[in-house]
Amino acid sequence: DTGVSQDPRHKITKRGQNVTFRCDPISEHNRLYWYRQTLGQGPEFLTYFQNEAQLEKSRLLSDRFSAERPKGSFSTLEIQRTEQGDSAMYLCASSLASGGAFEQYFGPGTRLTVT
Amino acid sequence: GENVEQHPSTLSVQEGDSAVIKCTYSDSASNYFPWYKQELGKRPQLIIDIRSNVGEKKDQRIAVTLNKTAKHFSLHITETQPEDSAVYFCAATMKSGSARQLTFGSGTQLTVLP
Repeated sequence: DTGVSQDPRHKITKRGQNVTFRCDPISEHNRLYWYRQTLGQGPEFLTYFQNEAQLEKSRLLSDRFSAERPKGSFSTLEIQRTEQGDSAMYLCASSLASGGAFEQYFGPGTRLTVT
Repeated sequence: GENVEQHPSTLSVQEGDSAVIKCTYSDSASNYFPWYKQELGKRPQLIIDIRSNVGEKKDQRIAVTLNKTAKHFSLHITETQPEDSAVYFCAATMKSGSARQLTFGSGTQLTVLP
């Protein structure tokens, strides 16, 4: 499968615990985005990387959230001291930054449940 | 920032009929408008998109129209089939620096009745 992959697909954690999710973009894509989707809503932008540089962060991304893309390939999203309001689907998308490409392709998401 | 409104929130059509979903956006600088289909428990799948330099784009049974003056765009699905049943999201984006963050509508649950 050459699409965007995410791991794990599901995560159940207790309030206050830390969690980390991984995203592997399409191999030649140098732009990587994280979105959050709650039930019945469209995805909301969280943050964006071009290669290893994190270039934009939404105000939705509190200081408990941190994202990295250390070698410009896979990315991780960590949530510290999880709260019940963090329960959502966390989606990763990637795109190609050349030739005026606009299309973003999504991974299957990681569904987080905070109990 | 950008705001995207989508209507209707639910839509039921008979198999073979057409379905139309409409979106409006707020930022006149937006220049790219994709549509995603999301089946239950699956990833959003890009089905068609349009850039601000064209008014209409068609791909088999799916078409998208864009009215920049009115700041609205629509998805048209003809000859609907049961497998078209899903949630459809519109989105808009503008280039801000090097980012192209998508702002999504709230989705339309389309049900195609056999």
